[in-house]
Amino acid sequence: DADVTQTPRNRITKTGKRIMLECSQTKGHDRMYWYRQDPGLGLRLIYYSFDVKDINKGEISDGYSVSRQAQAKFSLSLESAIPNQTALYFCATSDLRDQAFTNTGELFFGEGSRLTVL
Amino acid sequence: AQSVTQLGSHVSVSEGALVLLRCNYSSSVPPYLFWYVQYPNQGLQLLLKYTSAATLVKGINGFEAEFKKSETSFHLTKPSAHMSDAAEYFCAAYSGNTPLVFGKGTRLSVIA
Repeated sequence: DADVTQTPRNRITKTGKRIMLECSQTKGHDRMYWYRQDPGLGLRLIYYSFDVKDINKGEISDGYSVSRQAQAKFSLSLESAIPNQTALYFCATSDLRDQAFTNTGELFFGEGSRLTVL
Repeated sequence: AQSVTQLGSHVSVSEGALVLLRCNYSSSVPPYLFWYVQYPNQGLQLLLKYTSAATLVKGINGFEAEFKKSETSFHLTKPSAHMSDAAEYFCAAYSGNTPLVFGKGTRLSVIA
């Protein structure tokens, strides 16, 4: 099983619908992230959480909200989906300290959730 | 704020030719640097990372990258391209207690 699991993997929805993308991890990491990928724009950070009580906005948080239900779970919601939110969404995790006891910021990614808003 | 620039959104090479993907970072303080690869319909996986040890970093699948502080660069190379190297490659930088910052990606095509 994957260490970082995203559901659903693919979703087609209509404008105005509420959508939730879920992420769960078995890596035991405290830090979790949601990124959005668009062709030609790379990965852009939506929200991130350094622990269960910590939520931070990224560069493109408008139109999105998140919930950190537990150390292992981090959900992304689109309250009222619009077509320009059509994209590939990635959840990622990182550890405060890697095996070298250094905080290098390395990310571990899920396989992505492809969302299409019609 | 940290920024990462990847020169060339699309690079095309012949099979067996040298692969060179360019990445420059903006910080005056050398960050930790990463290259990730994304194969079609897959997530991102780590190719290699620079964490202030050796400046020449070797990664998986024959790739390597050299950190050059004077040029603020971290270019990715592979001596001989293989068809299976066709993918999107992302350079990223980490400068402290903030999330990784990614470049816009370079799509590598390998021509038979």
